[in-house]
Amino acid sequence: QITLKESGPTLVKPTQTLTLTCTFSGFSLTSSGVGVAWIRQPPGKALEWLALIFWDDDKRYSPSLKSRLTITKDTSKNQAVLTVTNVDPVDTGTYFCAHSRGTSLSPAVFDYWGQGTLVTVSS
Amino acid sequence: SYVLTQPPSVSVAPGKTARVTCGGNKIGSKSVHWYQQKPGQAPVLVVFDDSDRPSGIPERFSASNSVNTATLTISRVEAGDEADYYCQVWDTILDHLVLGGGTKLTVL
Repeated sequence: QITLKESGPTLVKPTQTLTLTCTFSGFSLTSSGVGVAWIRQPPGKALEWLALIFWDDDKRYSPSLKSRLTITKDTSKNQAVLTVTNVDPVDTGTYFCAHSRGTSLSPAVFDYWGQGTLVTVSS
Repeated sequence: SYVLTQPPSVSVAPGKTARVTCGGNKIGSKSVHWYQQKPGQAPVLVVFDDSDRPSGIPERFSASNSVNTATLTISRVEAGDEADYYCQVWDTILDHLVLGGGTKLTVL
């Protein structure tokens, strides 16, 4: 079965770079149509999509955060990594990774999610 | 950029039908997916491609999409359906994903 798990620091200081790793099993990021996405959720607020990397290394980013985000994959380790530069307290929240698959109508639907990891940005 | 508009909250009595809307310009021409998120949990996909249900999702969950509004319908609402619901599409113009702001469903 497909599982995903996020890992990374729980506390980051403002202006630092946040690096999060999504380690998954049950699928390969080399399979056609497959991707891994990152979505975050500030406490008590809505989900916000951040980035998505596809099996062919195509990448998409949220327009509002694009300049601060980088998503990469390591297929040999079954991992997808998100870096967020110059973090601010508003970046505090739970960060989820999700398995993405394409359908005949859409390039991306998130059918499996990790449990999420809480990141706090504070000095 | 493409914007999806959801009502902040919807309330419904147990056993009744709840409807959660997702508005967007010509959303009827796009494929809409819906996610359910209960407090303290990760989201769960409940509908994809406008009206298809993943395995394990009850038939009480259905959805439609037309012109400028997509609708998630939950029939015979149960207390366990109380959650936040999010719609999602792919913006084919800017070629990226868009999430709605979420709707909190309260079961009275």
